[in-house]
Amino acid sequence: KAGVTQTPRYLIKTRGQQVTLSCSPISGHRSVSWYQQTPGQGLQFLFEYFSETQRNKGNFPGRFSGRQFSNSRSEMNVSTLELGDSALYLCASSPWQGSHTIYFGEGSWLTVV
Amino acid sequence: TQLLEQSPQFLSIQEGENLTVYCNSSSVFSSLQWYRQEPGEGPVLLVTVVTGGEVKKLKRLTFQFGDARKDSSLHITAAQPGDTGLYLCAGSSGTYKYIFGTGTRLKVLA
Repeated sequence: KAGVTQTPRYLIKTRGQQVTLSCSPISGHRSVSWYQQTPGQGLQFLFEYFSETQRNKGNFPGRFSGRQFSNSRSEMNVSTLELGDSALYLCASSPWQGSHTIYFGEGSWLTVV
Repeated sequence: TQLLEQSPQFLSIQEGENLTVYCNSSSVFSSLQWYRQEPGEGPVLLVTVVTGGEVKKLKRLTFQFGDARKDSSLHITAAQPGDTGLYLCAGSSGTYKYIFGTGTRLKVLA
């Protein structure tokens, strides 16, 4: 079956702009989590969505937001971009909340200049 | 704040050697996972351990969860160049979000 699909794969934005990243989970999976990966901080949890509701949130400012649609696809948005937001943003798909079966997408590489 | 420290941070070994990567925390986790990530790709789940003292084997990889569920180790026997990558441990305390370790970057030379 198709894996987790993230779009776009690469993008460059200017400070102050906003960006929206998309994630399509594995068919039948209803839980989607988002992570930020940087060389300095490693992989950090952003938030998790299940049944269109945010169930968990990491320690990120309110500029980071997300949502999940009825077909389980998810988007995350970062507003007022800062240089420090440059990172690989990873989406993870699970059948249900709390499942140990987790599949990551290839990620979206965001560069803020 | 829950933290997962991995050691070593970097490891470069010759093909055929054995190695062990450690994942340590002062916090108790209800489950712990190990991932391998290759450049340009997302992490791939290798194993999940949930019981203190549990040992799981995946071909040449052996994973152990500490008795107190605060630490874990990954042992690779007869490493091969295909084992090269970033190894990440991730722990969950039952809140459905995973805390990732600092990572161990392994390079196996042919």
